[in-house]
Amino acid sequence: AQKVTQAQTEISVVEKEDVTLDCVYETRDTTYYLFWYKQPPSGELVFLIRRNSFDEQNEISGRYSWNFQKSTSSFNFTITASQVVDSAVYFCALRISPSGSARQLTFGSGTQLTVLP
Amino acid sequence: DAGVIQSPRHEVTEMGQEVTLRCKPISGHDYLFWYRQTMMRGLELLIYFNNNVPIDDSGMPEDRFSAKMPNASFSTLKIQPSEPRDSAVYFCASSFRQGPYEQYFGPGTRLTVT
Repeated sequence: AQKVTQAQTEISVVEKEDVTLDCVYETRDTTYYLFWYKQPPSGELVFLIRRNSFDEQNEISGRYSWNFQKSTSSFNFTITASQVVDSAVYFCALRISPSGSARQLTFGSGTQLTVLP
Repeated sequence: DAGVIQSPRHEVTEMGQEVTLRCKPISGHDYLFWYRQTMMRGLELLIYFNNNVPIDDSGMPEDRFSAKMPNASFSTLKIQPSEPRDSAVYFCASSFRQGPYEQYFGPGTRLTVT
């Protein structure tokens, strides 16, 4: 069985601070995908990034960056120079067997990020 | 391009009533997923379809819940009879069979059963 753990339930930072959201996953599969989603106060779930298990390159997109480390089964998300608009719940998710029939996403419990002005 | 469309956005009903939630996936997507989000249980997958065929409904909580996908552009999730513990936000998501595997979510339907 697979599992995603987001140990940080809530994080509060002041605008312009950097913040890292932790994600630890468990799976016995060697092929899998990891995702981050953002859920702003309006409620919709917005896809941010996908990473596959055989690509450990870190990724940067503007103020967002992701650090994938298979050795520690972690896929952490850093927001640089945070802004009030970054306030949201962030979910990490795992999907195994992309070539098979299983298509379910296993979600972590989410981290509520509050950025104070 | 239009994203996943869900209706209604909000639904308030009394216990015992039938509730039908609707979803239109992104055009061309082969997979459709129904999720439920609550404070207690987080995001739970209820059921998903591939090419209109239900693949895994192990997440459907009870026989009161049923889902259909009569064609590639429409799916329903029905609760009959509804109970207060069904109150939640229900999300529909869709994805391609090949290539990018990320799921794109609709805005959700907030269901309140009194």
